[in-house]
Amino acid sequence: QAVVTQEPSLTVSLGGTVTLTCGSSTGTVTNDHYPYWFQQKPGQAPTTLIYNASNKHPWTPARFSGSLLGGKSVLTLSGAQPDDEAEYYCLLFYNSGFAIFGGGTKLTVL
Amino acid sequence: EVQLVESGGALVQPGGSLRLSCAASGFIFSGSGMSWVRQASGKGLQWVSTYSVRDAKALYADSVKGRFTISRDTSRNTLYLQMDSLRVDDTAIYYCLKGGWGTIFDYWGQGALVSVSS
Repeated sequence: QAVVTQEPSLTVSLGGTVTLTCGSSTGTVTNDHYPYWFQQKPGQAPTTLIYNASNKHPWTPARFSGSLLGGKSVLTLSGAQPDDEAEYYCLLFYNSGFAIFGGGTKLTVL
Repeated sequence: EVQLVESGGALVQPGGSLRLSCAASGFIFSGSGMSWVRQASGKGLQWVSTYSVRDAKALYADSVKGRFTISRDTSRNTLYLQMDSLRVDDTAIYYCLKGGWGTIFDYWGQGALVSVSS
């Protein structure tokens, strides 16, 4: 079965920009994987930030954006705020009829 | 306002069964795919199952296939997860999630705790 990979941890300065990536062991991540990005803060249920690689929900802060780059799904945070400190998970769908989460990226805002 | 409220979490012995429910409101339940995602304590998220309205199909992770059954009652706007032959490694918070194949994932429930232990 496929493995979805994310950076285990990243640090960003307050007001800075950081890029989180999501790769697949099966090869290039494409729109056919319908990439998702979720945010989870300690003790809370996750929330959905990005769907289908680059689309935002109404509640997604404008400083978050999604894209496909270098064969991966990418979540970019521009202008990091203390409230963005959280775990971030990506999710990929596979044609075989299953979905796999990445292991998560713990983002620290300094 | 979309609301998803899980219930049915409990402590159960290995080999036992449990049924989780997710009461949905604020959207057209019959037209929406729905999913279950779980999270063991201190661990990451794991997709468990989806009911896809696109083709009226139930999809399962390999780890639960043959033991778990997803279903829905559109008259009650409720999603279910029947869990049989439970194992210790099924212990987790189970989240109900609006979305699935053909339906965008958006809203999450608050989760229900399932503990499998002797």
